[in-house]
Amino acid sequence: GAGVSQSPRYKVTKRGQDVALRCDPISGHVSLYWYRQALGQGPEFLTYFNYEAQQDKSGLPNDRFSAERPEGSISTLTIQRTEQRDSAMYRCASSLEPGLAKSYEQYFGPGTRLTVT
Amino acid sequence: AQSVTQLGSHVSVSEGALVLLRCNYSSSVPPYLFWYVQYPNQGLQLLLKYTTGATLVKGINGFEAEFKKSETSFHLTKPSAHMSDAAEYFCAVSERGGATNKLIFGTGTLLAVQP
Repeated sequence: GAGVSQSPRYKVTKRGQDVALRCDPISGHVSLYWYRQALGQGPEFLTYFNYEAQQDKSGLPNDRFSAERPEGSISTLTIQRTEQRDSAMYRCASSLEPGLAKSYEQYFGPGTRLTVT
Repeated sequence: AQSVTQLGSHVSVSEGALVLLRCNYSSSVPPYLFWYVQYPNQGLQLLLKYTTGATLVKGINGFEAEFKKSETSFHLTKPSAHMSDAAEYFCAVSERGGATNKLIFGTGTLLAVQP
């Protein structure tokens, strides 16, 4: 089956604009994660969904960042009033429901490269 | 809080030589341990993982890693490097029994393989 898909793959926006990044997880995966990866760094956790419930948003850097997953499948990460420091690769991952065998294995999408000018 | 340290942001080896990428973690309880590989313009791919049982784990493409609790390490090795191994490698941990399984990554090691 298809893997995790993300769109757009590349996004260039001007400072102050809002952007929405989309993630489509693997079918049947109820857990969904967003990570941000700055150049030369490892991915950093942003937020986690179990089905449609956002159960952990401790990694969101400030209130300009929000995420939703209204039907427990596709998720959108929104950044309002973008700033240059928001430029990074945004990665989405999905996995099976916690507690199931191999639920700790996360499958990553190709990422969205965001550049704020 | 958990943390991951990868020593050496750049490692260069000759084709056919041993590959050794180092990873140490900091955690009060041994976590789940992972190695991911990132090829250019691709997503992160799981190479191997340690959750329980045998401390020497084998992954894809001939890589293996050994969990050493006493050293809080999970170093990645491959006996003979191939040109196709050139990529960036990330060590990651997640809390054992945690509610979310969120991953904490190291800063990555870029592996170059010289002909």
